[in-house]
Amino acid sequence: NAGVTQTPKFQVLKTGQSMTLQCAQDMNHEYMSWYRQDPGMGLRLIHYSVGAGITDQGEVPNGYNVSRSTTEDFPLRLLSAAPSQTSVYFCASSYSSGFRNEQFFGPGTRLTVL
Amino acid sequence: ILNVEQSPQSLHVQEGDSTNFTCSFPSSNFYALHWYRWETAKSPEALFVMTLNGDEKKKGRISATLNTKEGYSYLYIKGSQPEDSATYLCASYSSYKLIFGSGTRLLVRP
Repeated sequence: NAGVTQTPKFQVLKTGQSMTLQCAQDMNHEYMSWYRQDPGMGLRLIHYSVGAGITDQGEVPNGYNVSRSTTEDFPLRLLSAAPSQTSVYFCASSYSSGFRNEQFFGPGTRLTVL
Repeated sequence: ILNVEQSPQSLHVQEGDSTNFTCSFPSSNFYALHWYRWETAKSPEALFVMTLNGDEKKKGRISATLNTKEGYSYLYIKGSQPEDSATYLCASYSSYKLIFGSGTRLLVRP
């Protein structure tokens, strides 16, 4: 199993550009989520999905869209990039949305918005 | 949104020292407390998932305790080694979301 994969590893955008961060998992996990990591702030939840076709907002959803058309994929779209979105983005998945389930994290995407 | 806090923010210890750090979380509507270990240039990896008051979990030299009534969990590392250097994150589960603290960064000097 590849686990949770993310592409690209690094990306530089100009303010106002849009792009999609890709996330895929091959563990047949129901639950997937996106976090951003900023210095001194730990991991903050952007959006999550409890299953295909179902998404919801996390702590910091503004400026981001998600969709979950398949169990495997959970892309994160930046609609109009801003310098405040410079961050490291982690995708994670778990077997289900149950509270006992540990999350498995992807390798991260480092995004810089100029 | 929950407020999960960790202390200290960072910790430097000598190889062989034992150490511990704290995670505090709201005690109402508690479901689970997760601990993750995050090495530099890698992804966070789960250490423990704890659900019951009084839970104690152990993995090698690392152990954790949980007090849901007062809303705190301790992570202990016995006889720290340089390879224990990492950021340790705790997260509390609420309404399908894991809310993370900002982490404790541990550096173990040889």
